[in-house]
Amino acid sequence: QQQVKQSPQSLIVQKGGISIINCAYENTAFDYFPWYQQFPGKGPALLIAIRPDVSEKKEGRFTISFNKSAKQFSLHIMDSQPGDSATYFCAASMSTSGSRLTFGEGTQLTVNP
Amino acid sequence: GAVVSQHPSWVICKSGTSVKIECRSLDFQATTMFWYRQFPKQSLMLMATSNEGSKATYEQGVEKDKFLINHASLTLSTLTVTSAHPEDSSFYICSARDGGVGYTFGSGTRLTVV
Repeated sequence: QQQVKQSPQSLIVQKGGISIINCAYENTAFDYFPWYQQFPGKGPALLIAIRPDVSEKKEGRFTISFNKSAKQFSLHIMDSQPGDSATYFCAASMSTSGSRLTFGEGTQLTVNP
Repeated sequence: GAVVSQHPSWVICKSGTSVKIECRSLDFQATTMFWYRQFPKQSLMLMATSNEGSKATYEQGVEKDKFLINHASLTLSTLTVTSAHPEDSSFYICSARDGGVGYTFGSGTRLTVV
């Protein structure tokens, strides 16, 4: 019940295209859903996060869509750029003190110029 | 924003020696810190959760005598890999809750045991 399933495992997009990564969770107690971007040899960096009381959140070219009833959320990267090439992880946690993050398996995004 | 500093960024050590990795929260107090291990092209695997002033809680399968975690203050947690062997070579990452619901990660430490 603690799993977060992420797809696809890898994604190749042309410059200017839309990158879409999907995640599904099982634990309905999760109430914080962040997306992280990780470059090789670096730690993950928070990209954008959403709480379950909203269905969509947009920050620049990055949008999270959240479907509470389906227990799914997705990351959309608009106008994808070669600099967006990285590994993306979805995650979920409870907001209670000390709660851990449960990570998806990761998606390796390649944006071709 | 919240910053977590992790050192060293890379270390090479001889088999049988011990290595200490430091994780500091620079501008906030972190009551809870997390230590992860990441293999190439894989997700982050939680090793342990440490709370300031108490013993760390280790995940199933993680040897607590090999991976010593100390969280002596609200801004510092350390991971010591004792009697390191080549199979301990990996990318180790720390994380801290930033006082809200968010988690801030260190930049990671690449450990190579030769």
